[in-house]
Amino acid sequence: AQKVTQAQTEISVVEKEDVTLDCVYETRDTTYYLFWYKQPPSGELVFLIRRNSFDEQNEISGRYSWNFQKSTSSFNFTITASQVVDSAVYFCALSEERGTYKYIFGTGTRLKVLA
Amino acid sequence: GAGVSQSPSNKVTEKGKDVELRCDPISGHTALYWYRQSLGQGLEFLIYFQGNSAPDKSGLPSDRFSAERTGGSVSTLTIQRTQQEDSAVYLCASSFWLGAGIVGLRETQYFGPGTRLLVL
Repeated sequence: AQKVTQAQTEISVVEKEDVTLDCVYETRDTTYYLFWYKQPPSGELVFLIRRNSFDEQNEISGRYSWNFQKSTSSFNFTITASQVVDSAVYFCALSEERGTYKYIFGTGTRLKVLA
Repeated sequence: GAGVSQSPSNKVTEKGKDVELRCDPISGHTALYWYRQSLGQGLEFLIYFQGNSAPDKSGLPSDRFSAERTGGSVSTLTIQRTQQEDSAVYLCASSFWLGAGIVGLRETQYFGPGTRLLVL
Protein backbone atom coordinates (compact mmCIF):
# COMPACT_ATOMS: atom_id res chain seq x y z
CA ALA A 1 0.00 0.00 0.00
CA GLN A 2 1.14 3.54 -0.61
CA LYS A 3 1.50 5.76 2.39
CA VAL A 4 3.40 8.80 3.58
CA THR A 5 4.04 9.37 7.27
CA GLN A 6 5.09 12.65 8.78
CA ALA A 7 5.25 11.76 12.44
CA GLN A 8 6.08 15.26 13.64
CA THR A 9 2.83 17.15 13.92
CA GLU A 10 4.37 20.40 15.09
CA ILE A 11 7.91 21.63 15.71
CA SER A 12 8.96 24.88 17.34
CA VAL A 13 12.48 26.22 17.04
CA VAL A 14 14.21 29.47 17.77
CA GLU A 15 15.46 31.48 14.86
CA LYS A 16 18.87 30.38 13.53
CA GLU A 17 18.45 26.84 14.80
CA ASP A 18 18.64 23.96 12.34
CA VAL A 19 15.55 21.77 12.01
CA THR A 20 14.86 18.49 10.25
CA LEU A 21 11.41 17.44 9.09
CA ASP A 22 10.95 13.71 8.73
CA CYS A 23 9.14 11.89 5.95
CA VAL A 24 8.79 8.12 5.70
CA TYR A 25 7.03 6.52 2.78
CA GLU A 26 5.68 3.12 1.79
CA THR A 27 5.35 1.88 -1.74
CA ARG A 28 5.54 -1.40 -3.63
CA ASP A 29 6.58 0.34 -6.81
CA THR A 30 10.24 0.32 -7.80
CA THR A 31 9.93 3.67 -9.53
CA TYR A 32 8.34 6.53 -7.67
CA TYR A 33 8.60 10.24 -7.06
CA LEU A 34 8.83 12.20 -3.85
CA PHE A 35 7.98 15.84 -3.29
CA TRP A 36 8.09 18.49 -0.60
CA TYR A 37 5.67 21.40 -0.53
CA LYS A 38 5.45 24.40 1.77
CA GLN A 39 2.09 25.83 2.82
CA PRO A 40 2.53 29.27 4.40
CA PRO A 41 -0.32 30.93 6.31
CA SER A 42 -1.67 32.30 3.02
CA GLY A 43 -2.65 28.72 2.19
CA GLU A 44 -1.10 28.20 -1.23
CA LEU A 45 1.07 25.10 -1.63
CA VAL A 46 4.51 26.03 -2.86
CA PHE A 47 6.62 23.40 -4.59
CA LEU A 48 10.07 22.94 -3.05
CA ILE A 49 11.65 19.83 -4.53
CA ARG A 50 11.04 16.55 -6.32
CA ARG A 51 13.17 13.43 -6.24
CA ASN A 52 12.99 10.40 -8.54
CA SER A 53 13.51 7.05 -6.84
CA PHE A 54 16.43 6.16 -9.09
CA ASP A 55 18.30 9.32 -8.18
CA GLU A 56 19.60 9.02 -4.65
CA GLN A 57 21.76 12.09 -4.72
CA ASN A 58 21.07 14.44 -1.90
CA GLU A 59 20.37 18.02 -2.75
CA ILE A 60 21.12 21.38 -1.24
CA SER A 61 19.45 24.62 -2.18
CA GLY A 62 20.57 27.54 -0.09
CA ARG A 63 19.48 26.86 3.49
CA TYR A 64 17.42 23.84 2.43
CA SER A 65 18.74 20.32 2.05
CA TRP A 66 17.11 16.97 1.44
CA ASN A 67 18.34 13.53 2.44
CA PHE A 68 16.86 10.66 0.42
CA GLN A 69 17.56 7.20 1.81
CA LYS A 70 15.93 4.30 -0.02
CA SER A 71 17.20 1.83 2.56
CA THR A 72 15.04 3.42 5.23
CA SER A 73 12.32 4.74 2.88
CA SER A 74 12.89 8.25 4.10
CA PHE A 75 13.10 11.65 2.45
CA ASN A 76 13.96 14.12 5.18
CA PHE A 77 14.13 17.88 4.82
CA THR A 78 16.53 20.07 6.77
CA ILE A 79 16.40 23.82 7.12
CA THR A 80 19.68 25.33 8.26
CA ALA A 81 19.71 28.58 10.24
CA SER A 82 15.92 28.78 10.29
CA GLN A 83 14.16 32.10 9.84
CA VAL A 84 10.73 33.34 10.89
CA VAL A 85 9.65 33.27 7.23
CA ASP A 86 10.16 29.51 7.27
CA SER A 87 7.13 29.18 9.54
CA ALA A 88 4.61 27.11 7.59
CA VAL A 89 3.15 23.65 7.22
CA TYR A 90 5.38 21.36 5.20
CA PHE A 91 3.98 18.42 3.26
CA CYS A 92 5.78 15.40 1.88
CA ALA A 93 4.12 13.58 -1.03
CA LEU A 94 4.57 10.37 -3.02
CA SER A 95 3.56 9.52 -6.58
CA GLU A 96 3.99 6.01 -7.91
CA GLU A 97 5.02 5.22 -11.46
CA ARG A 98 2.50 2.43 -11.87
CA GLY A 99 -0.27 4.28 -10.09
CA THR A 100 -2.30 7.09 -11.50
CA TYR A 101 -0.82 10.51 -11.33
CA LYS A 102 -2.24 11.46 -7.98
CA TYR A 103 -0.04 12.44 -5.08
CA ILE A 104 -0.32 10.75 -1.71
CA PHE A 105 0.35 13.36 0.93
CA GLY A 106 1.49 13.07 4.50
CA THR A 107 -0.48 14.91 7.15
CA GLY A 108 2.08 17.69 7.26
CA THR A 109 4.42 19.15 9.86
CA ARG A 110 3.72 22.62 11.22
CA LEU A 111 6.99 24.47 11.76
CA LYS A 112 7.04 27.51 14.01
CA VAL A 113 10.19 29.57 14.01
CA LEU A 114 10.29 31.96 16.92
CA ALA A 115 12.21 35.21 16.79
CA GLY B 1 3.31 33.46 -16.39
CA ALA B 2 0.15 33.16 -14.36
CA GLY B 3 -0.22 30.34 -11.91
CA VAL B 4 -3.24 28.17 -11.19
CA SER B 5 -6.24 30.27 -10.28
CA GLN B 6 -9.32 29.23 -8.38
CA SER B 7 -12.62 30.90 -7.70
CA PRO B 8 -14.24 31.78 -5.46
CA SER B 9 -11.57 32.09 -2.82
CA ASN B 10 -14.19 31.66 -0.11
CA LYS B 11 -17.69 30.24 -0.25
CA VAL B 12 -20.24 30.04 2.53
CA THR B 13 -23.36 28.05 1.80
CA GLU B 14 -26.26 26.48 3.60
CA LYS B 15 -26.60 22.77 4.02
CA GLY B 16 -28.46 21.25 1.11
CA LYS B 17 -27.44 23.83 -1.48
CA ASP B 18 -25.30 23.06 -4.53
CA VAL B 19 -21.92 24.75 -5.05
CA GLU B 20 -19.58 25.06 -7.99
CA LEU B 21 -15.85 25.57 -7.62
CA ARG B 22 -13.75 26.68 -10.54
CA CYS B 23 -10.14 26.00 -11.47
CA ASP B 24 -8.15 27.64 -14.24
CA PRO B 25 -4.87 25.75 -14.80
CA ILE B 26 -1.52 27.07 -15.92
CA SER B 27 -1.54 27.66 -19.66
CA GLY B 28 -0.23 24.62 -21.51
CA HIS B 29 -0.84 22.21 -18.64
CA THR B 30 -3.03 19.38 -19.88
CA ALA B 31 -3.29 17.50 -16.59
CA LEU B 32 -5.50 18.85 -13.82
CA TYR B 33 -6.10 17.54 -10.31
CA TRP B 34 -8.53 18.26 -7.48
CA TYR B 35 -7.63 17.67 -3.83
CA ARG B 36 -9.43 18.39 -0.57
CA GLN B 37 -7.83 19.57 2.66
CA SER B 38 -10.01 19.19 5.70
CA LEU B 39 -9.22 20.82 9.02
CA GLY B 40 -6.45 18.90 10.67
CA GLN B 41 -6.15 16.50 7.76
CA GLY B 42 -3.65 16.16 5.00
CA LEU B 43 -4.58 16.55 1.40
CA GLU B 44 -6.76 13.87 -0.12
CA PHE B 45 -6.99 13.26 -3.84
CA LEU B 46 -10.40 13.66 -5.46
CA ILE B 47 -10.10 13.42 -9.26
CA TYR B 48 -7.61 13.78 -12.07
CA PHE B 49 -8.13 14.98 -15.64
CA GLN B 50 -6.02 14.34 -18.67
CA GLY B 51 -7.43 16.71 -21.26
CA ASN B 52 -11.19 16.54 -20.87
CA SER B 53 -11.35 12.97 -19.63
CA ALA B 54 -11.01 11.77 -16.06
CA PRO B 55 -8.97 8.54 -15.88
CA ASP B 56 -9.11 8.52 -12.09
CA LYS B 57 -12.19 9.56 -10.12
CA SER B 58 -11.43 7.25 -7.24
CA GLY B 59 -11.18 9.98 -4.63
CA LEU B 60 -14.63 11.48 -5.07
CA PRO B 61 -16.25 10.81 -1.67
CA SER B 62 -19.83 10.33 -2.87
CA ASP B 63 -22.09 10.70 -5.88
CA ARG B 64 -22.86 14.23 -4.70
CA PHE B 65 -19.44 15.19 -6.03
CA SER B 66 -18.78 15.58 -9.74
CA ALA B 67 -16.30 17.40 -11.90
CA GLU B 68 -15.93 18.29 -15.50
CA ARG B 69 -13.39 19.90 -17.71
CA THR B 70 -14.10 21.53 -21.01
CA GLY B 71 -11.77 22.61 -23.78
CA GLY B 72 -8.89 20.99 -21.95
CA SER B 73 -8.65 24.01 -19.72
CA VAL B 74 -11.04 25.20 -17.02
CA SER B 75 -12.48 22.64 -14.63
CA THR B 76 -15.53 22.84 -12.39
CA LEU B 77 -16.02 20.78 -9.25
CA THR B 78 -19.69 20.56 -8.26
CA ILE B 79 -20.96 19.48 -4.89
CA GLN B 80 -24.69 18.82 -4.75
CA ARG B 81 -26.79 18.93 -1.60
CA THR B 82 -23.86 20.09 0.47
CA GLN B 83 -23.33 18.67 3.95
CA GLN B 84 -21.39 20.14 6.85
CA GLU B 85 -18.69 17.51 6.43
CA ASP B 86 -17.99 18.95 2.98
CA SER B 87 -16.47 22.02 4.67
CA ALA B 88 -12.83 22.08 3.63
CA VAL B 89 -10.32 23.79 1.39
CA TYR B 90 -10.56 22.51 -2.17
CA LEU B 91 -7.26 22.71 -3.98
CA CYS B 92 -6.64 22.44 -7.69
CA ALA B 93 -3.30 21.60 -9.29
CA SER B 94 -2.07 21.32 -12.85
CA SER B 95 0.92 19.85 -14.62
CA PHE B 96 2.32 19.12 -18.03
CA TRP B 97 1.63 15.73 -19.50
CA LEU B 98 4.56 13.87 -21.02
CA GLY B 99 2.68 10.70 -21.82
CA ALA B 100 2.26 7.40 -20.12
CA GLY B 101 4.94 4.79 -19.96
CA ILE B 102 7.90 7.13 -20.01
CA VAL B 103 9.69 6.29 -16.81
CA GLY B 104 11.18 9.12 -14.91
CA LEU B 105 9.11 11.87 -16.46
CA ARG B 106 6.41 12.35 -13.85
CA GLU B 107 5.70 16.03 -13.93
CA THR B 108 5.42 18.27 -10.89
CA GLN B 109 1.99 19.50 -9.88
CA TYR B 110 1.55 23.21 -9.22
CA PHE B 111 -1.22 24.22 -6.88
CA GLY B 112 -3.70 27.05 -6.82
CA PRO B 113 -4.64 29.10 -3.74
CA GLY B 114 -7.68 26.95 -2.99
CA THR B 115 -11.35 27.60 -2.35
CA ARG B 116 -12.34 27.59 1.31
CA LEU B 117 -15.84 26.11 1.56
CA LEU B 118 -17.93 26.46 4.69
CA VAL B 119 -21.26 24.67 4.88
CA LEU B 120 -23.51 25.98 7.64
